[in-house]
Amino acid sequence: EAGVVQSPRYKIIEKKQPVAFWCNPISGHNTLYWYLQNLGQGPELLIRYENEEAVDDSQLPKDRFSAERLKGVDSTLKIQPAELGDSAVYLCASSPRAGGNGELFFGEGSRLTVL
Amino acid sequence: GEDVEQSLFLSVREGDSSVINCTYTDSSSTYLYWYKQEPGAGLQLLTYIFSNMDMKQDQRLTVLLNKKDKHLSLRIADTQTGDSAIYFCAENPSSNTGKLIFGQGTTLQVKP
Repeated sequence: EAGVVQSPRYKIIEKKQPVAFWCNPISGHNTLYWYLQNLGQGPELLIRYENEEAVDDSQLPKDRFSAERLKGVDSTLKIQPAELGDSAVYLCASSPRAGGNGELFFGEGSRLTVL
Repeated sequence: GEDVEQSLFLSVREGDSSVINCTYTDSSSTYLYWYKQEPGAGLQLLTYIFSNMDMKQDQRLTVLLNKKDKHLSLRIADTQTGDSAIYFCAENPSSNTGKLIFGQGTTLQVKP
């Protein structure tokens, strides 16, 4: 069974440029998460989807960040314009459904460097 | 508020036991978790414990939960070099959402 797939693995951009990350969750997983992981820190939730609905986006900085999950499968996370402080790893995770034992399946992450 | 605290670094010799500690704040968490992150990789669930348990053993891993003190620990027996990684403790204060609150991670260094 394929795991959570993210791309690109690495992205280097200049500040004020836009960037987008893509995530393909495990087949059949209805719940999809985007987490932000700063260097030396644990992941922090940005947004959670149940199918195509964003049910928790309270931590998403909406002035520059946006996300979508069309058709309830793949998802994209966009930053426009990027700032120096956005340099981090953006992790996508999925789970069969909310609740249960809470196990999340993570992708390898997309490492963003903003110069 | 919700907060999970861990020590940042632990160094042990191969074959010794490792004990990683964690404190959390939300007593309503139904499950508590240990995730492992190897360099350049995403997080992988190692084990979890239900809040009505005080111990769970899974091969070389032993999880101890002290609900009164809100303290969670992970013991790795016979630690191997392949266990070198960052270990994250996490709580799930809203059990029906899957929103996990992670600690900052403990880097485990295993010396040969």
